[in-house]
Amino acid sequence: GESVGLHLPTLSVQEGDNSIINCAYSNSASDYFIWYKQESGKGPQFIIDIRSNMDKRQGQRVTVLLNKTVKHLSLQIAATQPGDSAVYFCAGGMDTGRRALTFGSGTRLQVQP
Amino acid sequence: GAVVSQHPSRVICKSGTSVKIECRSLDFQATTMFWYRQFPKKSLMLMATSNEGSKATYEQGVEKDKFLINHASLTLSTLTVTSAHPEDSSFYICSASLLGLAGSYNEQFFGPGTRLTVL
Repeated sequence: GESVGLHLPTLSVQEGDNSIINCAYSNSASDYFIWYKQESGKGPQFIIDIRSNMDKRQGQRVTVLLNKTVKHLSLQIAATQPGDSAVYFCAGGMDTGRRALTFGSGTRLQVQP
Repeated sequence: GAVVSQHPSRVICKSGTSVKIECRSLDFQATTMFWYRQFPKKSLMLMATSNEGSKATYEQGVEKDKFLINHASLTLSTLTVTSAHPEDSSFYICSASLLGLAGSYNEQFFGPGTRLTVL
């Protein structure tokens, strides 16, 4: 079945630096991928998405890169701020069938002031 | 933007009792609602998919008689944890799916979650 996973459980960066959070997926059936941010005790918050026919998508301070050849997804956060500290999940979804999201294991981002 | 609420946000109950968690889409009609479970420092695990007016589809390993899901309207789904035990303690999160425009996917909007503690 489809699965999505992450390389690193914790990432610590200095305030102002750029952060890169990685995600690997084993099944190329996903039609799109989404990055979510989850703060402690809260539900996931949408950050940015990318469809499987795209390589890159940019948002405000965030960029998602998709490398289908190696089945790798990354989230880049520019000028990381203390408010960016949270757990980040990637999730894959399909346009047809079950339509549910499959979540990766998550990476905790810690921003040091 | 689309808002999803959950009630209660926290609940503590005794072992053997049943607990009902509500999930509401506040400003849109949700074609589908999903229920997830999350253990501390773990990812979200899909429990079931709920469509209005039909029976929920449960994921493998999830007991449908223990986790009762009712999707009575396009804005409300409920999850009832029956005969709760300490191992049912977890963070339960719902999401509501809005039918997307042609060419887009059905975006999910997540609720804030419900922390269940069973003593």
